[in-house]
Amino acid sequence: KAGVTQTPRYLIKTRGQQVTLSCSPISGHRSVSWYQQTPGQGLQFLFEYFSETQRNKGNFPGRFSGRQFSNSRSEMNVSTLELGDSALYLCASSGGDPLSRTQYFGPGTRLTVL
Amino acid sequence: QQQVKQSPQSLIVQKGGISIINCAYENTAFDYFPWYQQFPGKGPALLIAIRPDVSEKKEGRFTISFNKSAKQFSLHIMDSQPGDSATYFCAASIPVPGANNLFFGTGTRLTVIP
Repeated sequence: KAGVTQTPRYLIKTRGQQVTLSCSPISGHRSVSWYQQTPGQGLQFLFEYFSETQRNKGNFPGRFSGRQFSNSRSEMNVSTLELGDSALYLCASSGGDPLSRTQYFGPGTRLTVL
Repeated sequence: QQQVKQSPQSLIVQKGGISIINCAYENTAFDYFPWYQQFPGKGPALLIAIRPDVSEKKEGRFTISFNKSAKQFSLHIMDSQPGDSATYFCAASIPVPGANNLFFGTGTRLTVIP
């Protein structure tokens, strides 16, 4: 099976702009989670989607949002970008079982905000 | 508030030696403890995971030791190789449907010297 794919791999934006990142989970996986990775804060959970519904959310401002489509692909959006949003954004997918715990990560999207 | 504390921050080991990374947690609701390996420019990859009903799990050169009473768990890498040089993250999650997010440790950068 193909792994989790994320596009684009690299992005450069300026403060105040918005950005949309895309994630395609492993075929058959219905859960998609998003994480932010920075040198200072490490890996932090943003939100999780299962069957097009957000079922869990981390402690991030409302500028961070996401959605999931019927084919389980997910997008996350960050509006009004700030310098501190520069990070590696990782997507992870879990299996079709709602209680599946194993998460498989994609390669990430490196976002740089200037 | 860091839910999972990881040490050391960095570790240098000779080829053939044993690498040991430790993690501690406070939330007794955690019941799933995976370890991830991350190479530069890549997403984290699941190495091995354990649940608290066992005290040890071994997969090849990688072993997780789990001490439920002390709320600690550790990763041992036997016969460490230069190819093991990477950043290792411990993580934990709770068994609540709709709360499949992982709480990560801060990471350990392992360098194995030839």
